[in-house]
Amino acid sequence: SAVISQKPSRDICQRGTSLTIQCQVDSQVTMMFWYRQQPGQSLTLIATANQGSEATYESGFVIDKFPISRPNLTFSTLTVSNMSPEDSSIYLCSVGLAGNYEQYFGPGTRLTVT
Amino acid sequence: GNSVTQMEGPVTLSEEAFLTINCTYTATGYPSLFWYVQYPGEGLQLLLKATKADDKGSNKGFEATYRKETTSFHLEKGSVQVSDSAVYFCALPTGGGNKLTFGTGTQLKVEL
Repeated sequence: SAVISQKPSRDICQRGTSLTIQCQVDSQVTMMFWYRQQPGQSLTLIATANQGSEATYESGFVIDKFPISRPNLTFSTLTVSNMSPEDSSIYLCSVGLAGNYEQYFGPGTRLTVT
Repeated sequence: GNSVTQMEGPVTLSEEAFLTINCTYTATGYPSLFWYVQYPGEGLQLLLKATKADDKGSNKGFEATYRKETTSFHLEKGSVQVSDSAVYFCALPTGGGNKLTFGTGTQLKVEL
């Protein structure tokens, strides 16, 4: 397994601003993922964060809105840009371990945009 | 692609009642199947898994059996506790790259 931390745990932001969320893992992992969970909803995958190359985005998500960095095998950031109230969600980081499909999740960042 | 369908919630039970949360899947082949749990204010935790047909995953008193005949992976617990109150997600791999697709989640509330 892996232990994952996220910062900040929550934030309240003004519309039009940007927020960067950090995800730190206690061991080197190949696969890191970013999800959005809107209130009372399931998880939607935003992108796969690739170390040393551009992230792979899912349909409906674009790099200009959700730029992602992955400078090494233990750290990633997700930026939510030019925020609107519709971006109010929980943002979750997860990691996948080689050899199986298990994923381990961070505690999430609860974002409210006013 | 692969998908899961979960029973809708919320489910409200009295403590010590029997729990079943239904999950059915559509998939190519026989992928691994997972149940995740999300306690209030927290991220998701892997609860149990099964990697092949007829496997039974179990953890913390919860069980789920991988049934290919009915394409189901129902979650069961014989006697729920107040501390089991959470949202439960069924999941399976999809699209390659170790990605998972999640069900809509079923909220469980256990009362004294």
